[in-house]
Amino acid sequence: GAVVSQHPSWVICKSGTSVKIECRSLDFQATTMFWYRQFPKQSLMLMATSNEGSKATYEQGVEKDKFLINHASLTLSTLTVTSAHPEDSSFYICSAQAGASGSYEQYFGPGTRLTVT
Amino acid sequence: GENVEQHPSTLSVQEGDSAVIKCTYSDSASNYFPWYKQELGKGPQLIIDIRSNVGEKKDQRIAVTLNKTAKHFSLHITETQPEDSAVYFCAGGLSKLTFGTGTRLQVTL
Repeated sequence: GAVVSQHPSWVICKSGTSVKIECRSLDFQATTMFWYRQFPKQSLMLMATSNEGSKATYEQGVEKDKFLINHASLTLSTLTVTSAHPEDSSFYICSAQAGASGSYEQYFGPGTRLTVT
Repeated sequence: GENVEQHPSTLSVQEGDSAVIKCTYSDSASNYFPWYKQELGKGPQLIIDIRSNVGEKKDQRIAVTLNKTAKHFSLHITETQPEDSAVYFCAGGLSKLTFGTGTRLQVTL
């Protein structure tokens, strides 16, 4: 149980274009999903927290107009990187939290490697 | 906000030996401390977690201890195997997690 998928697993795009990444919880309903970014040999940095049906909460320093997050259902959240630039190249990972009373476990997806040329 | 520090950054042990990774946290309100294993090019995998009302938890070869007073927690892996080689991250918080900087564990034959 507790399987989270991401699509695509990797993507290459040209500078100035937009890219959408999907995150799905396959066998549970995720009231909260999180989006992280990880640069090579570094830790995970939380970008934003999204709750189903409401606006995402962004961490300090993360541009909400550049990283658009939508959590339209209890099993799907999307991250759109708009007007991507080479410095946006990174490993983007989502996690999902069931949100049941007293349940804090976050289950991570396999990640999406974005390369902007 | 929460600040989590993790040591060591790299750890090399021989197969069969034990490995210990330590983390400290700053926010006394944090009450959930998971450990994740990340293999190259993959997402983190939850391997064990502990809540602040528990001092120790064990799952086969893996154990975690928590000292709330000192604000530190540790991961213990016994009888290490080559497949334990990976990067391990500690984290702390509540629903929102702050991650440590990671420990690269290498288990040698």
